[in-house]
Amino acid sequence: AQSVTQLDSQVPVFEEAPVELRCNYSSSVSVYLFWYVQYPNQGLQLLLKYLSGSTLVKGINGFEAEFNKSQTSFHLRKPSVHISDTAEYFCAVSRIQGAQKLVFGQGTRLTINP
Amino acid sequence: KAGVTQTPRYLIKTRGQQVTLSCSPISGHRSVSWYQQTPGQGLQFLFEYFSETQRNKGNFPGRFSGRQFSNSRSEMNVSTLELGDSALYLCASSPDSNTGELFFGEGSRLTVL
Repeated sequence: AQSVTQLDSQVPVFEEAPVELRCNYSSSVSVYLFWYVQYPNQGLQLLLKYLSGSTLVKGINGFEAEFNKSQTSFHLRKPSVHISDTAEYFCAVSRIQGAQKLVFGQGTRLTINP
Repeated sequence: KAGVTQTPRYLIKTRGQQVTLSCSPISGHRSVSWYQQTPGQGLQFLFEYFSETQRNKGNFPGRFSGRQFSNSRSEMNVSTLELGDSALYLCASSPDSNTGELFFGEGSRLTVL
């Protein structure tokens, strides 16, 4: 079975500051890795994904994440955040077979202060 | 291209009733998945349908069921509602590529009184 741990439930940062949202996962098989964002009263939107290849993946809205197999981590980063980045962020994993079955972390609420 | 559409967006039921939620996937997507989101348990996978067949199932009781029609539209049903079924139910569709990239609807928020 797979599991995901998001190490911070809430992260407050100032506008234009850098941010890192941490995610660790556990799995006995190879997995795909994802970050999704959820804005208030909306569904989830894919930010970025790691399927294979380069361990640094770039996504939408200036976000990027690095897959570290030895540390089983997939941390999300942005060098300079904007007020509009205020949202809840979810890290997720899926098995390569049956990839539609995502296992999500508990989420990190990112709050941007002016 | 229209996104994933879920209806109804909000509904209130009482314990013991049943509810049916509907999901129309993005045109051309044949896989439809359902997730339950609650403050306590977070996002949990319910089931996935592909070409009218349930392909994956999560760890939910038999009161939760679903189906998919030939046009890929999907419904999920919860019978004998309990207070703990209050949640946001999210539907997601994906193409056949099986890469796990899901396109989510805005959800149906169910309140059980």
